Amino acid sequence: AQSVTQLGSHVSVSEGALVLLRCNYSSSVPPYLFWYVQYPNQGLQLLLKYTTGATLVKGINGFEAEFKKSETSFHLTKPSAHMSDAAEYFCAPMNTGFQKLVFGTGTRLLVSP
Amino acid sequence: ETGVTQSPTHLIKTRGQQVTLRCSSQSGHNTVSWYQQALGQGPQFIFQYYREEENGRGNFPPRFSGLQFPNYSSELNVNALELDDSALYLCASSPRGGGYGYTFGSGTRLTVV
Repeated sequence: AQSVTQLGSHVSVSEGALVLLRCNYSSSVPPYLFWYVQYPNQGLQLLLKYTTGATLVKGINGFEAEFKKSETSFHLTKPSAHMSDAAEYFCAPMNTGFQKLVFGTGTRLLVSP
Repeated sequence: ETGVTQSPTHLIKTRGQQVTLRCSSQSGHNTVSWYQQALGQGPQFIFQYYREEENGRGNFPPRFSGLQFPNYSSELNVNALELDDSALYLCASSPRGGGYGYTFGSGTRLTVV
């Protein structure tokens, strides 16, 4: 079964700094990989989606993620953090054979002025 | 287009009671999934419905049950509530399976006392 690991339960950056949130999936390549963002007391918003093909995926709000099969990783980046980026971020591969999302424990991004 | 709407937004129930949560899927979406998100955790898959049939279930006991209606809206029912059922319950919909990405509602916050 698919599994996912998000390294770092909390990541702190200064406004304007690079954002890097790490995600590693289990050894089998999932058909799809997603990054979702969750603001306090809200549901999940889709940031970006990987499907077979392109390795660099661009999403909303300036975020992008690079799929690296050799490293089983799908890290999320943003060149310059903004205060409004402070939220919880979830990496979620889709389970092979059945289309459910498998969520990690999430990474809380803190952005300081 | 309207997104996924869930009702109620908040609910307080007593241990042993039963609860029904409701979800209206996004227009054109025929697949609905339910997730449980405990405080500080990532969402956990409960089950999924496709065209009124349950087509996948996570590791939740039978007292968690659901329905999907002809208009693709859905209900989540939980019987014999336990304190550990306190969580944010998220509904997500997708067109023709999950490859297009799931659209999440804002959730129902259930507190069991």
